[in-house]
Amino acid sequence: NAGVMQNPRHLVRRRGQEARLRCSPVKGHSHVYWYRQLPEEGLKFMVYLQKENIIDESGMPKERFSAEFPKEGPSILRIQQVVRGDSAAYFCASSPLGGGLGNTEAFFGQGTRLTVV
Amino acid sequence: ELKVEQNPLFLSMQEGKNYTIYCNYSTTSDRLYWYRQDPGKSLESLFVLLSNGAVKQEGRLMASLDTKARLSTLHITAAVHDLSATYFCAAPGPGANNLFFGTGTRLTVIP
Repeated sequence: NAGVMQNPRHLVRRRGQEARLRCSPVKGHSHVYWYRQLPEEGLKFMVYLQKENIIDESGMPKERFSAEFPKEGPSILRIQQVVRGDSAAYFCASSPLGGGLGNTEAFFGQGTRLTVV
Repeated sequence: ELKVEQNPLFLSMQEGKNYTIYCNYSTTSDRLYWYRQDPGKSLESLFVLLSNGAVKQEGRLMASLDTKARLSTLHITAAVHDLSATYFCAAPGPGANNLFFGTGTRLTVIP
């Protein structure tokens, strides 16, 4: 049984480029959550998605960031025109049930470490 | 916004010793989560505490929750090197769509 798979594990982008981070949830899970972890900090919620729907994007910056979870395929977190401050580890979690991450057990991926140079 | 604070942020302890990590949160919550993270790795779920007075133990780790005091503790008994990691507590935000994480406690167990 594969857990949450994120790729790439490491991503280097120059300022102004686009970064696309992928998350394949645990098989059968239809709820995905994205978190960002800055160095020496805890994880900060970005967005909660269900298949084809954004449930809660209150933690997502209004500009340059977008997320989707299509009917088929992985969830994608897209960062346009990256800046140095976007350098962080981005984690994805999935759960089998709805109701939010606070109501159900979630499984985290190994993260994508984005470095903007 | 819910605030979750952990202390200490850094903890260096000798093998065989006991210690407690504290997690305070700012608004009412009836549940609390503890995770472990090894360097460069993902988060591993340790405990889910679902009610006031809940106590769970796994090996040398024991977690408890006092919802009235808005406090959870993670107690380490007779530490061993394998416990070296960063430990996070997390509480659900309003609507429980997401978890608010503490800044973590980086534990180093030295021989």
